[in-house]
Amino acid sequence: NAGVTQTPKFQVLKTGQSMTLQCAQDMNHEYMSWYRQDPGMGLRLIHYSVGAGITDQGEVPNGYNVSRSTTEDFPLRLLSAAPSQTSVYFCASSSRDSNYGYTFGSGTRLTVV
Amino acid sequence: GDSVTQMEGPVTLSEEAFLTINCTYTATGYPSLFWYVQYPGEGLQLLLKATKADDKGSNKGFEATYRKETTSFHLEKGSVQVSDSAVYFCALSDPFSGSARQLTFGSGTQLTVLP
Repeated sequence: NAGVTQTPKFQVLKTGQSMTLQCAQDMNHEYMSWYRQDPGMGLRLIHYSVGAGITDQGEVPNGYNVSRSTTEDFPLRLLSAAPSQTSVYFCASSSRDSNYGYTFGSGTRLTVV
Repeated sequence: GDSVTQMEGPVTLSEEAFLTINCTYTATGYPSLFWYVQYPGEGLQLLLKATKADDKGSNKGFEATYRKETTSFHLEKGSVQVSDSAVYFCALSDPFSGSARQLTFGSGTQLTVLP
């Protein structure tokens, strides 16, 4: 059971480039989320989904897009990368009935130069 | 909106010392409360949780009690080990917030345990 898988683990982008961070889970979880982790700020919610075809914005959505075409996958797209998007990104998933126990991926460390 | 405030770090302790990491929260409704742990280079792992007032969550020797009157969820361990060195995050999930059970995190506390 792989849990939550994120790819890539590391990425360097130039300002203005676009890319997609991949997230897949094999636990049939309804809920999926993207967070960014910055020093001294904990984790902040970017976007989330409560099921296939349903997404919503979190605390810091600007500059990011998501879609949820399947239960398993929840990719995060950076439209035009900026240095302010340098961060560690975590994907997480949860069953609707799990009493809020989210499973996290191992993260993607993104640097925008 | 909801918020979580936790003890500033870093915290450095000797092995077998007593650990307390303070966490207080602000929420609209009656949230569930969590402690997550992040070991170096890894994602977050759920350490313990409590879903209603006066509940005590416990795991791996760590404990935290949901105190509604003081809006707190302090993490404690009686005797820390070197292997407990990690970053600890307090978090809440508020079903009455606008983001459908998503987690709100504190800023994290770095714990280093010296042999």
